[in-house]
Amino acid sequence: KQEVTQIPAALSVPEGENLVLNCSFTDSAIYNLQWFRQDPGKGLTSLLLIQSSQREQTSGRLNASLDKSSGRSTLYIAASQPGDSATYLCAALGAGSYQLTFGKGTKLSVIP
Amino acid sequence: GAVVSQHPSRVICKSGTSVKIECRSLDFQATTMFWYRQFPKQSLMLMATSNEGSKATYEQGVEKDKFLINHASLTLSTLTVTSAHPEDSSFYICSALNRGLEGYTFGSGTRLTVV
Repeated sequence: KQEVTQIPAALSVPEGENLVLNCSFTDSAIYNLQWFRQDPGKGLTSLLLIQSSQREQTSGRLNASLDKSSGRSTLYIAASQPGDSATYLCAALGAGSYQLTFGKGTKLSVIP
Repeated sequence: GAVVSQHPSRVICKSGTSVKIECRSLDFQATTMFWYRQFPKQSLMLMATSNEGSKATYEQGVEKDKFLINHASLTLSTLTVTSAHPEDSSFYICSALNRGLEGYTFGSGTRLTVV
Protein backbone atom coordinates (compact mmCIF):
# COMPACT_ATOMS: atom_id res chain seq x y z
CA LYS A 1 0.00 0.00 0.00
CA GLN A 2 1.38 3.36 -1.04
CA GLU A 3 2.27 5.76 1.76
CA VAL A 4 3.15 9.38 1.18
CA THR A 5 5.02 11.42 3.76
CA GLN A 6 5.64 15.15 3.77
CA ILE A 7 8.31 16.85 5.82
CA PRO A 8 8.19 19.27 7.52
CA ALA A 9 4.58 19.41 8.71
CA ALA A 10 4.88 23.17 9.10
CA LEU A 11 7.37 25.77 7.95
CA SER A 12 7.69 29.47 8.65
CA VAL A 13 10.05 31.64 6.59
CA PRO A 14 10.63 35.35 6.08
CA GLU A 15 9.49 36.88 2.83
CA GLY A 16 11.98 36.57 0.00
CA GLU A 17 13.54 33.31 1.08
CA ASN A 18 13.84 30.32 -1.18
CA LEU A 19 12.48 27.12 0.31
CA VAL A 20 12.09 23.41 -0.35
CA LEU A 21 9.22 21.16 0.59
CA ASN A 22 9.79 17.44 0.70
CA CYS A 23 7.60 14.52 -0.27
CA SER A 24 8.49 10.84 -0.11
CA PHE A 25 6.56 7.79 -1.24
CA THR A 26 7.06 4.12 -0.47
CA ASP A 27 6.03 2.52 -3.76
CA SER A 28 8.05 3.73 -6.72
CA ALA A 29 5.55 2.27 -9.22
CA ILE A 30 3.79 5.55 -9.78
CA TYR A 31 2.19 6.99 -12.88
CA ASN A 32 2.68 10.59 -11.86
CA LEU A 33 3.08 12.85 -8.87
CA GLN A 34 1.12 16.03 -8.36
CA TRP A 35 1.63 19.01 -6.07
CA PHE A 36 -1.37 20.94 -4.83
CA ARG A 37 -2.00 24.05 -2.83
CA GLN A 38 -4.85 24.29 -0.34
CA ASP A 39 -5.93 27.52 1.29
CA PRO A 40 -7.87 27.29 4.59
CA GLY A 41 -11.39 25.99 4.05
CA LYS A 42 -10.87 25.70 0.31
CA GLY A 43 -10.40 23.00 -2.25
CA LEU A 44 -7.16 22.03 -3.93
CA THR A 45 -5.41 23.93 -6.67
CA SER A 46 -3.08 21.92 -8.85
CA LEU A 47 0.39 23.46 -9.03
CA LEU A 48 2.56 21.00 -10.91
CA LEU A 49 2.21 17.50 -12.28
CA ILE A 50 5.26 15.37 -13.01
CA GLN A 51 4.89 12.27 -15.11
CA SER A 52 6.88 9.22 -14.02
CA SER A 53 9.16 9.63 -17.04
CA GLN A 54 9.99 13.23 -16.15
CA ARG A 55 12.55 14.60 -13.71
CA GLU A 56 11.12 18.03 -13.08
CA GLN A 57 8.48 20.57 -13.95
CA THR A 58 8.57 24.34 -13.61
CA SER A 59 5.90 26.97 -13.37
CA GLY A 60 6.91 30.51 -12.55
CA ARG A 61 8.63 30.54 -9.17
CA LEU A 62 7.81 26.88 -8.57
CA ASN A 63 9.96 23.92 -9.51
CA ALA A 64 9.10 20.34 -8.70
CA SER A 65 11.49 17.45 -9.05
CA LEU A 66 10.90 13.72 -9.05
CA ASP A 67 13.30 10.89 -8.26
CA LYS A 68 11.32 7.71 -8.64
CA SER A 69 14.12 5.37 -7.69
CA SER A 70 14.56 7.01 -4.30
CA GLY A 71 10.84 7.67 -3.85
CA ARG A 72 11.22 11.42 -3.44
CA SER A 73 9.86 14.63 -4.82
CA THR A 74 10.63 18.19 -3.86
CA LEU A 75 8.81 21.45 -4.43
CA TYR A 76 11.10 24.44 -4.64
CA ILE A 77 9.61 27.90 -4.16
CA ALA A 78 11.81 30.83 -5.11
CA ALA A 79 11.57 34.28 -3.59
CA SER A 80 8.69 33.39 -1.31
CA GLN A 81 5.83 35.87 -0.83
CA PRO A 82 3.16 36.19 1.88
CA GLY A 83 0.62 35.08 -0.72
CA ASP A 84 2.38 31.72 -0.88
CA SER A 85 1.16 30.96 2.64
CA ALA A 86 -0.99 27.84 2.38
CA THR A 87 -0.83 24.10 2.88
CA TYR A 88 1.01 22.23 0.15
CA LEU A 89 0.04 18.65 -0.57
CA CYS A 90 1.75 16.11 -2.73
CA ALA A 91 -0.10 13.13 -4.14
CA ALA A 92 1.12 10.04 -5.96
CA LEU A 93 -0.93 8.27 -8.59
CA GLY A 94 -0.19 4.56 -8.63
CA ALA A 95 0.60 2.90 -11.95
CA GLY A 96 -2.48 1.12 -13.22
CA SER A 97 -4.64 2.94 -10.69
CA TYR A 98 -6.83 5.99 -10.65
CA GLN A 99 -6.37 6.58 -6.98
CA LEU A 100 -4.29 9.37 -5.58
CA THR A 101 -2.50 8.86 -2.29
CA PHE A 102 -1.99 12.11 -0.44
CA GLY A 103 0.55 13.22 2.10
CA LYS A 104 -0.64 15.16 5.14
CA GLY A 105 0.75 18.36 3.74
CA THR A 106 3.19 21.06 4.75
CA LYS A 107 1.69 24.23 6.16
CA LEU A 108 3.76 27.14 4.91
CA SER A 109 3.73 30.59 6.47
CA VAL A 110 5.64 33.38 4.77
CA ILE A 111 6.20 36.25 7.15
CA PRO A 112 6.20 39.78 5.64
CA GLY B 1 -7.83 24.99 -17.75
CA ALA B 2 -10.02 22.23 -16.42
CA VAL B 3 -12.59 23.36 -13.88
CA VAL B 4 -14.64 21.38 -11.40
CA SER B 5 -17.54 23.13 -9.74
CA GLN B 6 -18.73 21.91 -6.36
CA HIS B 7 -21.89 23.07 -4.60
CA PRO B 8 -22.81 24.04 -2.01
CA SER B 9 -19.62 25.41 -0.50
CA ARG B 10 -21.11 25.41 2.96
CA VAL B 11 -24.17 23.75 4.44
CA ILE B 12 -25.61 23.44 7.91
CA CYS B 13 -28.27 20.81 8.46
CA LYS B 14 -30.16 19.27 11.32
CA SER B 15 -29.30 15.84 12.59
CA GLY B 16 -31.33 13.18 10.79
CA THR B 17 -31.75 15.08 7.55
CA SER B 18 -30.04 14.39 4.21
CA VAL B 19 -27.70 16.65 2.30
CA LYS B 20 -26.77 16.47 -1.38
CA ILE B 21 -23.47 17.76 -2.71
CA GLU B 22 -22.93 18.27 -6.44
CA CYS B 23 -19.71 18.02 -8.38
CA ARG B 24 -19.61 19.13 -12.02
CA SER B 25 -16.83 19.11 -14.56
CA LEU B 26 -17.39 22.28 -16.55
CA ASP B 27 -15.21 21.97 -19.62
CA PHE B 28 -14.35 18.32 -19.88
CA GLN B 29 -16.00 14.96 -19.57
CA ALA B 30 -15.20 12.99 -16.47
CA THR B 31 -15.98 9.31 -16.59
CA THR B 32 -14.40 8.96 -13.18
CA MET B 33 -14.86 11.23 -10.20
CA PHE B 34 -13.67 10.86 -6.65
CA TRP B 35 -15.06 11.89 -3.30
CA TYR B 36 -12.79 12.72 -0.42
CA ARG B 37 -13.29 13.65 3.19
CA GLN B 38 -10.89 15.82 5.10
CA PHE B 39 -10.69 16.18 8.86
CA PRO B 40 -8.97 19.19 10.46
CA LYS B 41 -5.21 19.11 10.03
CA GLN B 42 -5.44 15.82 8.18
CA SER B 43 -4.97 14.98 4.57
CA LEU B 44 -7.66 13.89 2.17
CA MET B 45 -9.08 10.45 2.64
CA LEU B 46 -10.66 8.82 -0.37
CA MET B 47 -14.23 7.78 0.33
CA ALA B 48 -15.34 6.42 -3.01
CA THR B 49 -14.70 6.33 -6.72
CA SER B 50 -17.63 7.30 -8.88
CA ASN B 51 -17.92 5.89 -12.39
CA GLU B 52 -20.38 7.23 -14.91
CA GLY B 53 -23.22 4.80 -15.50
CA SER B 54 -22.18 2.28 -12.89
CA LYS B 55 -22.12 1.78 -9.15
CA ALA B 56 -19.56 3.63 -7.10
CA THR B 57 -16.67 1.81 -5.50
CA TYR B 58 -16.39 2.55 -1.79
CA GLU B 59 -13.25 2.43 0.31
CA GLN B 60 -13.11 0.15 3.28
CA GLY B 61 -14.98 1.54 6.24
CA VAL B 62 -17.19 3.89 4.24
CA GLU B 63 -20.88 3.11 4.54
CA LYS B 64 -22.37 3.00 1.06
CA ASP B 65 -25.92 3.28 2.38
CA LYS B 66 -25.04 6.43 4.23
CA PHE B 67 -23.00 8.11 1.53
CA LEU B 68 -24.99 7.67 -1.66
CA ILE B 69 -23.14 8.46 -4.85
CA ASN B 70 -24.75 8.96 -8.23
CA HIS B 71 -22.80 9.59 -11.42
CA ALA B 72 -25.58 9.91 -13.96
CA SER B 73 -23.74 11.85 -16.63
CA LEU B 74 -20.22 12.51 -17.85
CA THR B 75 -20.15 15.86 -16.10
CA LEU B 76 -22.04 15.36 -12.85
CA SER B 77 -21.57 13.29 -9.74
CA THR B 78 -23.53 13.76 -6.53
CA LEU B 79 -22.85 12.69 -2.96
CA THR B 80 -25.82 12.46 -0.62
CA VAL B 81 -25.16 12.18 3.08
CA THR B 82 -28.25 10.44 4.40
CA SER B 83 -29.54 10.73 7.96
CA ALA B 84 -26.66 13.00 8.83
CA HIS B 85 -25.23 13.03 12.33
CA PRO B 86 -22.81 15.45 14.00
CA GLU B 87 -19.93 13.03 13.42
CA ASP B 88 -20.51 13.45 9.67
CA SER B 89 -19.50 17.08 9.98
CA SER B 90 -16.42 17.46 7.82
CA PHE B 91 -14.99 18.96 4.67
CA TYR B 92 -15.95 17.02 1.55
CA ILE B 93 -14.07 17.49 -1.72
CA CYS B 94 -14.65 15.97 -5.11
CA SER B 95 -12.21 15.58 -7.94
CA ALA B 96 -12.40 14.55 -11.55
CA LEU B 97 -9.84 12.83 -13.69
CA ASN B 98 -9.09 14.83 -16.78
CA ARG B 99 -7.88 12.18 -19.18
CA GLY B 100 -6.64 14.77 -21.61
CA LEU B 101 -4.24 16.20 -19.06
CA GLU B 102 -3.91 12.98 -17.08
CA GLY B 103 -4.30 15.07 -13.99
CA TYR B 104 -6.85 15.60 -11.31
CA THR B 105 -8.92 18.72 -10.89
CA PHE B 106 -10.53 19.36 -7.55
CA GLY B 107 -13.69 21.12 -6.55
CA SER B 108 -13.62 23.90 -4.01
CA GLY B 109 -15.01 21.68 -1.27
CA THR B 110 -18.14 21.62 0.89
CA ARG B 111 -18.07 22.33 4.60
CA LEU B 112 -20.84 20.26 6.16
CA THR B 113 -21.94 21.02 9.69
CA VAL B 114 -24.57 18.81 11.27
CA VAL B 115 -26.24 20.28 14.34
